Amino acid sequence: AAGVIQSPRHLIKEKRETATLKCYPIPRHDTVYWYQQGPGQDPQFLISFYEKMQSDKGSIPDRFSAQQFSDYHSELNMSSLELGDSALYFCASSRERVKRDEQYFGPGTRLTVT
Amino acid sequence: AQSVSQHNHHVILSEAASLELGCNYSYGGTVNLFWYVQYPGQHLQLLLKYFSGDPLVKGIKGFEAEFIKSKFSFNLRKPSVQWSDTAEYFCAVRRGGSQGNLIFGKGTKLSVKP
Repeated sequence: AAGVIQSPRHLIKEKRETATLKCYPIPRHDTVYWYQQGPGQDPQFLISFYEKMQSDKGSIPDRFSAQQFSDYHSELNMSSLELGDSALYFCASSRERVKRDEQYFGPGTRLTVT
Repeated sequence: AQSVSQHNHHVILSEAASLELGCNYSYGGTVNLFWYVQYPGQHLQLLLKYFSGDPLVKGIKGFEAEFIKSKFSFNLRKPSVQWSDTAEYFCAVRRGGSQGNLIFGKGTKLSVKP
């Protein structure tokens, strides 16, 4: 079965640079969630989208922005990167209209800021 | 605000020992409850989920969890662990009836000695 695809899998950036992370949800999934998992930490919700509109916002810094496109893939744009942004960034997708649906997680993008 | 507490940070067991990982949440309304497992270097995988009905939920790989509403708990159990169960386990909560984000506990690292 198709899974959530994230690219790139690994990314190394320097401080103050920008990064773009991409997420391709499972086909026919209309909702995308972004989570950030710092080293040894639990995943923290950043932002979510349903049908290309932002549906909820968590602890996403103002330096970050995200959007969902017409093909339902989503991109997380990160600017003015800081050392503390080094983390594993997960994307998850689900189907809004399926009440008992779970969130399916992608493999994550490991971002290292040096 | 909702929160999820996992009482054990690190659990060390020998193979064939029984496992119980505690999870408590703070939210007075209807909740959906999940346990995810994260093997070293891998993404989050769903072990089991509870939405409603029978409070004893069976998941993959011999895991089960019991929802006790009066105690706001959703403890994970396995009668006999294997070395391959070595991983980090996250309890997560979502407000029932919504498609909102997951709130994760801090995770419990399980190490199983062969």
